[in-house]
Amino acid sequence: EPEVTQTPSHQVTQMGQEVILRCVPISNHLYFYWYRQILGQKVEFLVSFYNNEISEKSEIFDDQFSVERPDGSNFTLKIRSTKLEDSAMYFCASSDTPREYNEQFFGPGTRLTVL
Amino acid sequence: QKEVEQNSGPLSVPEGAIASLNCTYSDRVSQSFFWYRQYSGKSPELIMSIYSNGDKEDGRFTAQLNKASQYVSLLIRDSQPSDSATYLCAVNGVNTGFQKLVFGTGTRLLVSP
Repeated sequence: EPEVTQTPSHQVTQMGQEVILRCVPISNHLYFYWYRQILGQKVEFLVSFYNNEISEKSEIFDDQFSVERPDGSNFTLKIRSTKLEDSAMYFCASSDTPREYNEQFFGPGTRLTVL
Repeated sequence: QKEVEQNSGPLSVPEGAIASLNCTYSDRVSQSFFWYRQYSGKSPELIMSIYSNGDKEDGRFTAQLNKASQYVSLLIRDSQPSDSATYLCAVNGVNTGFQKLVFGTGTRLLVSP
């Protein structure tokens, strides 16, 4: 069964460093998302992406964050200058329709630890 | 007012019993409702989606939606120890172009053998 994959599974970085989290969405899906979950808290929407542009972003997704689809399969989240509070699980998701029946399928996540 | 509310639990049920998980939401124009299962340290796994008032059944799972009461629930019949997880309720709607899922904090379910 097709699934979303993410790399790395765990990333440790120093505060102020740049990180890139990678995702390979399900192959026939066109809509891509990033969510994060701080330990013990709820899953929070960061950004949605379609047709090579951001379609919606949350207030969390500030100028330190960017997304890109560098080729036909990868979808990346970059954090330019990490802060301690960026430590969280980051989940990539994809779906094949943005409309009301928008079932989003999540990848296994990347655990980001900022020291 | 929280957008999506769930009792954090834990909800403890014996093996073989029915587990009933509840969720309320504040945005009246929410259109679609989803239940995800999340094991500790893992990602959310979609188990049910529901869009219309009433019941939707899939195997041991039944989702129930009442838009007038802004209430959605998940019933798990014949609960198994492997069902022990956190169940996340998520909603989306026209206000967000159906892009953004808004999650509740989840209800932790414990099924004892």
